[in-house]
Amino acid sequence: GAVVSQHPSRVICKSGTSVKIECRSLDFQATTMFWYRQFPKQSLMLMATSNEGSKATYEQGVEKDKFLINHASLTLSTLTVTSAHPEDSSFYICSASVSLNTEAFFGQGTRLTVV
Amino acid sequence: GENVEQHPSTLSVQEGDSAVIKCTYSDSASNYFPWYKQELGKGPQLIIDIRSNVGEKKDQRIAVTLNKTAKHFSLHITETQPEDSAVYFCAASSNSGGYQKVTFGIGTKLQVIP
Repeated sequence: GAVVSQHPSRVICKSGTSVKIECRSLDFQATTMFWYRQFPKQSLMLMATSNEGSKATYEQGVEKDKFLINHASLTLSTLTVTSAHPEDSSFYICSASVSLNTEAFFGQGTRLTVV
Repeated sequence: GENVEQHPSTLSVQEGDSAVIKCTYSDSASNYFPWYKQELGKGPQLIIDIRSNVGEKKDQRIAVTLNKTAKHFSLHITETQPEDSAVYFCAASSNSGGYQKVTFGIGTKLQVIP
């Protein structure tokens, strides 16, 4: 299958700082990228959907000013957690798909710990 | 919106036995149903998928069935091995606002006992 690379895999940051997570599709062009959040022993919760070149669409309850998403190219999307707080600590996962009705491939995930 | 229910939440089987995980969905517009395997600390990996125009699909020890009328689909793993131990997620996908939206089940923790 296609490869989606997510970086970093783990990050620890201080409360109040911002952290950026990158999601890259390595061998295909991703028209659409998705960002998920996963709490321990729970399912993936969709945070937002980003289409290349346009603004991200956020799910209800997700603060767009706190979780900034940029999808500047067909191979890269970034999620920036601004002014991070301990409650933002979670496992963040991206996925990417070529187009509608095609499977989404997941990155390895990023374990964010805010101290 | 779509609602996907998955059960059981945990499943223990003896090595060599079969494991079955079942999911139901609510949105009749969903047309793509992937299954993911997630190992601890890693992102989900697609293991098999099925589209709404197909009733069954098999890939070696893994098979998926889909009943569109009843809106349920199932994952079957035969001859289970310890390395099959992981959390499995079902998902239902549909086109929403011009893009594909995937809704996940809550996951099933499968333990294969050697």
